[in-house]
Parts: sequence; structure tokens; C-alpha cells
Amino acid sequence: EADIYQTPRYLVIGTGKKITLECSQTMGHDKMYWYQQDPGMELHLIHYSYGVNSTEKGDLSSESTVSRIRTEHFPLTLESARPSHTSQYLCASGGTGATGELFFGEGSRLTVL
Amino acid sequence: GDSVTQMEGPVTLSEEAFLTINCTYTATGYPSLFWYVQYPGEGLQLLLKATKADDKGSNKGFEATYRKETTSFHLEKGSVQVSDSAVYFCALRLYSGGSNYKLTFGKGTLLTVNP
Repeated sequence: EADIYQTPRYLVIGTGKKITLECSQTMGHDKMYWYQQDPGMELHLIHYSYGVNSTEKGDLSSESTVSRIRTEHFPLTLESARPSHTSQYLCASGGTGATGELFFGEGSRLTVL
Repeated sequence: GDSVTQMEGPVTLSEEAFLTINCTYTATGYPSLFWYVQYPGEGLQLLLKATKADDKGSNKGFEATYRKETTSFHLEKGSVQVSDSAVYFCALRLYSGGSNYKLTFGKGTLLTVNP
């Protein structure tokens, strides 16, 4: 069973609010990722990190920002949420070594009114 | 660039039917191939994988064989159950330098199995 946790699972907020989606893993993985999943199910990589103090933008441009101050923690922040940010956000870690397996959290479903 | 093309859904089957979800890929180099599954309300989890040509990955009755000649990794199951209803993602992983890899996902295929 994967040890990667996301909070909150569901969030409904108004336009203009600042939100932070939390992601923590206890597996000691250096590499962590944020994916945005649209209603059609497709996954889009929006941020990744290869270790502490390392963050990079992914394939899909996003107005969100991330930080990696501790190995186990990779939060995503939206300074001013808009309805276009409504989506499912999935955090993952791993992806290295012989297996290359990524471990995913259960997701945070964000609705911006 | 590297890409994964998988069968568009949704796929609807009756219980005990045979399942095939097609997946083909384009890659420079020699990728590892994966199938991930996402059950309703959950994140993705690895279903099976294959790291080189002719390898067969298998798990929970699902199988997929890495076919380099046809650049394919089709997912099959002989007899599906209602509990197999989920979204299935095909993915490839390529080495990108240092200790890093790039993972590319297909768009996902929704499977619904009816009793």
C-alpha cells in the first residue's frame, strides 16, 4: 500500500481565494510530481521535483506554484483561484530505479465557484 | 516526441467477457511500459509492467506483452468482473539523463463491466 497522502480530498471555494493542496509521502522518494486530471480523464504533468529545493514546470502550463523544502512534503498553491482551476489534482512520487513505479495519492478535487 | 496512443473508450462489457485495450507507442530509445489502473474516487496504481521486448507483465488476471516489432503493449483479461470497472492508463518510461526518467501517459480508457 502506497504511503502518499493528499489533503484535502475535496475543496469548494470562491473565486479569488488562496488555496494550498498538501501532499506528503513517507517512502523517502526524492522525485515527486503533480498531475492535473481533466474530466476526460487525461493526465497532465504540471510540476515536478527531483529533490529538496528543486522544482520544475511540467508539460502543461499552470498558474499554480509548488515548493519542496522537505523531502516528504510537496505542496501546491494557487494564489487566486478561478473557475478554470476546477479540476482533480493528483500527487505522485517515485518513478526511479528498476521498477520505475509511480505511487499516487488519492487526489484532491477542487471546485472554484 | 514520445507518445502513447490507447484505445478510446468507453468500453462496456458484460461480466466474464474477454477484454482487450489496445496501446501503441512511439519512442526514441528503449522504453519500459506500464499499465496503471484508477478505480473510482482513487489515485492511479500500477497494474503491471514490462521492461524489455517480449517481456510479459501480469497481475490480477491481466496480461500485456511488450511487442517491439509492432510497438504495442495491449492489455488483456480473459474474464472480467464488475470490480474491474475503472480507468486504465498505458504509459512508457524513458531515461532522460542522470538518475531521471520521463513518464508519458496515454489518455486513459474507461471500462465498465455490467453484471
